[in-house]
Amino acid sequence: GAGVSQSPRYKVAKRGQDVALRCDPISGHVSLFWYQQALGQGPEFLTYFQNEAQLDKSGLPSDRFFAERPEGSVSTLKIQRTQQEDSAVYLCASSGGGAGTSRRLFFGPGTRLTVL
Amino acid sequence: ILNVEQSPQSLHVQEGDSTNFTCSFPSSNFYALHWYRWETAKSPEALFVMTLNGDEKKKGRISATLNTKEGYSYLYIKGSQPEDSATYLCAWAYNTDKLIFGTGTRLQVFP
Repeated sequence: GAGVSQSPRYKVAKRGQDVALRCDPISGHVSLFWYQQALGQGPEFLTYFQNEAQLDKSGLPSDRFFAERPEGSVSTLKIQRTQQEDSAVYLCASSGGGAGTSRRLFFGPGTRLTVL
Repeated sequence: ILNVEQSPQSLHVQEGDSTNFTCSFPSSNFYALHWYRWETAKSPEALFVMTLNGDEKKKGRISATLNTKEGYSYLYIKGSQPEDSATYLCAWAYNTDKLIFGTGTRLQVFP
């Protein structure tokens, strides 16, 4: 595709509900990143994939957060039993090549999650 | 502490003014430094990725410099235009996996 797409763009969840956020990276991009941006903050690293391998998940805030990229393209970020503090914009980014952060990232528009 | 700081937090300038922002990062374990522009309702867009001390990059009216020994990067905009209004984010990479972002500088250019 022309760029990174994310769906849904907006999600309102009741506390305790499970949500799944989808990211379609640019075709052929090896590296895929998820970031969380809370209001007034910069994006914070959640996890990094190289193809289907999740090489770093140290930024996931709790075991309620789970990410996968089973075929090395589309990725899903799942949040179980959502809490109000999970309210944020979730950004997905991809880049070509295997050395993730030495290349520019292409970001999607983000999913704004609001937990009531 | 793995912290990236950007200053100022926000900036209001008149069309035609030149301006600059600062990004400070830890001077140890440097891998790369990124600058992104994020316009409202759009995706963040890469401006520059710099990897070498002393790097200078230019794209039109926007340029950036990098000092990895002292841990700072400057972004300059010459002759600001209203379409330059956006949040400018810098991000520091100390390995291949993670970018540590600053909180951004919000620029507003008035016609």
